[in-house]
Amino acid sequence: GEDVEQSLFLSVREGDSSVINCTYTDSSSTYLYWYKQEPGAGLQLLTYIFSNMDMKQDQRLTVLLNKKDKHLSLRIADTQTGDSAIYFCAERAGTASKLTFGTGTRLQVTL
Amino acid sequence: GAVVSQHPSRVICKSGTSVKIECRSLDFQATTMFWYRQFPKQSLMLMATSNEGSKATYEQGVEKDKFLINHASLTLSTLTVTSAHPEDSSFYICSAPGTSGNTIYFGEGSWLTVV
Repeated sequence: GEDVEQSLFLSVREGDSSVINCTYTDSSSTYLYWYKQEPGAGLQLLTYIFSNMDMKQDQRLTVLLNKKDKHLSLRIADTQTGDSAIYFCAERAGTASKLTFGTGTRLQVTL
Repeated sequence: GAVVSQHPSRVICKSGTSVKIECRSLDFQATTMFWYRQFPKQSLMLMATSNEGSKATYEQGVEKDKFLINHASLTLSTLTVTSAHPEDSSFYICSAPGTSGNTIYFGEGSWLTVV
């Protein structure tokens, strides 16, 4: 079955860039997503990338996809304290809209 | 603003009772919605796919008689936890694909505590 892995924790200083990494195993992935979850809250869709793209930029967010290595990353530029949350990557296989989630990375932003 | 809304956001029920959670798509129709469960500090696990006008599709290991799903209209899916037990206490969250089909939105989630 599909497997999506993330590192559990990342700590960065305010103003620095954060890079959150994700690896997946399903070669039939069509879209890959990044979601943000604050404590006790639902999931906020940050961005997504189609599997035939290798980069997507949206304001402070940059997504890089290495399809050969099945590696996805999310870079947050100028990280702010409000970016502190858990970040989930998720992969979508085929045309179905169900997602397989990674383990989540807790981002801690320090002053 | 939210495009998928869940209600209630928090609910406490007694063991043995049933509780219903609603998931609504706002300003768009969703023939398919998804229900996930999240234990504290863990990832989301897909429970079932809710299909408008037909039976839900359950993931392996999910009891369909315990977690009843009804997709009553193109904007509403409900999850009913029947005969709830304390081990059913969890965060339940639904999702729906947006009109483009590429975006997948999640609700705010519902905290269920069974006492």
